[in-house]
Amino acid sequence: DTEVTQTPKHLVMGMTNKKSLKCEQHMGHRAMYWYKQKAKKPPELMFVYSYEKLSINESVPSRFSPECPNSSLLNLHLHALQPEDSALYLCASSQQTGLYQPQHFGDGTRLSIL
Amino acid sequence: QQQVKQSPQSLIVQKGGISIINCAYENTAFDYFPWYQQFPGKGPALLIAIRPDVSEKKEGRFTISFNKSAKQFSLHIMDSQPGDSATYFCAASWGGAQKLVFGQGTRLTINP
Repeated sequence: DTEVTQTPKHLVMGMTNKKSLKCEQHMGHRAMYWYKQKAKKPPELMFVYSYEKLSINESVPSRFSPECPNSSLLNLHLHALQPEDSALYLCASSQQTGLYQPQHFGDGTRLSIL
Repeated sequence: QQQVKQSPQSLIVQKGGISIINCAYENTAFDYFPWYQQFPGKGPALLIAIRPDVSEKKEGRFTISFNKSAKQFSLHIMDSQPGDSATYFCAASWGGAQKLVFGQGTRLTINP
């Protein structure tokens, strides 16, 4: 079992829906990440939060809106998604954004856009 | 320059054999090289990581070899087992950066 918990595990939504993905960690990590992974491809970084502040946005479309309410919780709000946004969305955390801090991944939310 | 090139794309090894996956990079600023293992339906799990001040790191059956002058690093899995069948990703980052640059992945199959 991973120490980064993501919910839901699966999500099917229409292009006009609004939904949210949730990620929790209780390891005391202060950096949290969202990645997108398409089938048979490596994870692609979307956002990084450091001490609850957004530090990196990899030019992600505004239909994806991240939120970090506290140091243990990370949300990704979804609105008006496109079929090409169907993918596995992974959350990760690391102890801090310093040198050589390994990132620990959750098992992801598999998102399907109809 | 930000790329990490990983080979082979897929690999089939007999049980008990040695699995070898290679990665190469151009950016000499990279200073942290982790390997991740991913099973179907799961997130990537950190397997082993190395920094460029050492040439080799071993953890159980898994060994990273690092060649700084050639800008290459590789993962060796000794006595490969069917349970090692998974996709393996090498990655690199630099200077405490929060970005991991991933290789394209290798799908490893261990035949019993």
